[in-house]
Amino acid sequence: AQSVTQPDIHITVSEGASLELRCNYSYGATPYLFWYVQSPGQGLQLLLKYFSGDTLVQGIKGFEAEFKRSQSSFNLRKPSVHWSDAAEYFCAVAANDYKLSFGAGTTVTVRA
Amino acid sequence: DVKVTQSSRYLVKRTGEKVFLECVQDMDHENMFWYRQDPGLGLRLIYFSYDVKMKEKGDIPEGYSVSREKKERFSLILESASTNQTSMYLCASSGGGQQETQYFGPGTRLLVL
Repeated sequence: AQSVTQPDIHITVSEGASLELRCNYSYGATPYLFWYVQSPGQGLQLLLKYFSGDTLVQGIKGFEAEFKRSQSSFNLRKPSVHWSDAAEYFCAVAANDYKLSFGAGTTVTVRA
Repeated sequence: DVKVTQSSRYLVKRTGEKVFLECVQDMDHENMFWYRQDPGLGLRLIYFSYDVKMKEKGDIPEGYSVSREKKERFSLILESASTNQTSMYLCASSGGGQQETQYFGPGTRLLVL
């Protein structure tokens, strides 16, 4: 069975600083990987996804993620954080039956 | 614009009550999902459906059932609500294929007293 680990429960970053959120997955076959964001009181919104091709994936809101098969990782990055990026971020992996397995999430706080 | 709607944003129920959570999508998606979200645990899949009248158990189906009579509507039922079912419930839908994006509703925050 597939699983996802997000090692950081909470990250605080200054506005304008760079951000990196870690995600490690466990899955026997080629993974389908996703990053979602959840703003306070909202549902989840897709930031980006990877299923083949270029291992550096561009998403919405200036986010990107890099798939590294050798490290079983799919880390999310943003070069310069805005106050509106304060949210909870979830990494997920898809199995071959359409189900998503989510990590526990990382909460990002942005300080002025 | 894609849309997944859930019948209630907040719900307060008593222990032992039967609770219905409704989800509707307007994207003609085959797949629909019910998740439960708890702090520190992320999202856990309760049930999903890949076609009308079809359902599959997810990771935590105990205490829940589902109904999908029409393609656009997927209902989650708590037959006899208990306090440990107090949680945020999220519905999602997606097209065919495991690389397809799941689109989420805004969630229903359920409190069982």
